[in-house]
Amino acid sequence: SQTIHQWPATLVQPVGSPLSLECTVEGTSNPNLYWYRQAAGRGLQLLFYSVGIGQISSEVPQNLSASRPQDRQFILSSKKLLLSDSGFYLCAWSVGGLGYRGLGSTEAFFGQGTRLTVV
Amino acid sequence: SQQGEEDPQALSIQEGENATMNCSYKTSINNLQWYRQNSGRGLVHLILIRSNEREKHSGRLRVTLDTSKKSSSLLITASRAADTASYFCARSERYIIQGAQKLVFGQGTRLTINP
Repeated sequence: SQTIHQWPATLVQPVGSPLSLECTVEGTSNPNLYWYRQAAGRGLQLLFYSVGIGQISSEVPQNLSASRPQDRQFILSSKKLLLSDSGFYLCAWSVGGLGYRGLGSTEAFFGQGTRLTVV
Repeated sequence: SQQGEEDPQALSIQEGENATMNCSYKTSINNLQWYRQNSGRGLVHLILIRSNEREKHSGRLRVTLDTSKKSSSLLITASRAADTASYFCARSERYIIQGAQKLVFGQGTRLTINP
């Protein structure tokens, strides 16, 4: 069966420090991978998505970057954190390639999230 | 904004009653999905309804989709205290890259079931 791991669960970092959040998926190949951010009491904002190794697309301009060094590994990074980077970060995956009926549209599976507080 | 609109933002009902949450969107979709989030946790997929479907059931859940009105609703029947959570709709939009989908989430409805 497929599983997704995201760590750490919580993180407190000072302004200006670097960030690295890691997400790995097991039990599937060539997944679509996503990073979302959720502000308190709000919906999820899509930050990055990836359809393959080294293929990253950014949805919104920001202080963050993403990398996919391996097929099932997705990393969210920042060189210098801002206060506004605080939030709940969620990694997710969905079936890659043609997916359901060739549309690539299937359910997404989420990690447990990382609560980031920038102080 | 990327996000769709959901209403109500918060809903509080008595155990045993039915809960209805609505979702509206503006763009064309491949499908629409509903997720549940317990406080401080990741999201769990509940049900997916495709753009050519009008209604779908899963246990106590019933989802409808009206593509002409660009709206969907989630009905939870015979609610239980354990149904207390936030519920999100997410529309699936196609990317230019084949095989990729873009899941755009609404703001969510905070559902509280009172014992």
